[in-house]
Amino acid sequence: QKEVEQDPGPLSVPEGAIVSLNCTYSNSAFQYFMWYRQYSRKGPELLMYTYSSGNKEDGRFTAQVDKSSKYISLFIRDSQPSDSATYLCATDSGGGADGLTFGKGTHLIIQP
Amino acid sequence: GAVVSQHPSWVICKSGTSVKIECRSLDFQATTMFWYRQFPKQSLMLMATSNEGSKATYEQGVEKDKFLINHASLTLSTLTVTSAHPEDSSFYICSARVGGTAFFGQGTRLTVV
Repeated sequence: QKEVEQDPGPLSVPEGAIVSLNCTYSNSAFQYFMWYRQYSRKGPELLMYTYSSGNKEDGRFTAQVDKSSKYISLFIRDSQPSDSATYLCATDSGGGADGLTFGKGTHLIIQP
Repeated sequence: GAVVSQHPSWVICKSGTSVKIECRSLDFQATTMFWYRQFPKQSLMLMATSNEGSKATYEQGVEKDKFLINHASLTLSTLTVTSAHPEDSSFYICSARVGGTAFFGQGTRLTVV
């Protein structure tokens, strides 16, 4: 079993819809949880960062972490065509010394 | 957020030659940087951890003699792909940790012909 599982999609939704992206992980030592957005042929861009369980909101984006079920989510409200990209979840246990563990990424398409 | 700059953004080289990719932290010092490789429609795979002033740590299966890493200062790490072959063609991305999160460079698309 991989450490971080993420459905690669593609996930196609109409403009304005609420998008739900999810990952599950297996290592209970993970404490840091991140969501990155990656456009084609670009480096990942940090969207959301959460430490331990809970919710975090930033504009149209909400990140949720449920450590009891090892489940992390990203919600996008009022989705726009410009949100079309690959979304990667990432986790870490140590907080600085190691590389991140990534999910495979979900390819999201917002239809105008 | 912190800025990580990677150069070049794309490069084409002939088989058998070497290519150097630079990764700079612009507004912070990074004692540790990470190098990833990403194949089309795949996730990022960690290749090595670059440590300022000491040897890099390579992930299992990554040839350290082919992928030379130098981290000579607190703001610069370089990855040199030596004797490149077509199978080395990929998207290479560097990153630096800031606290519990990480910031990434723009990536370098390497094509070996």
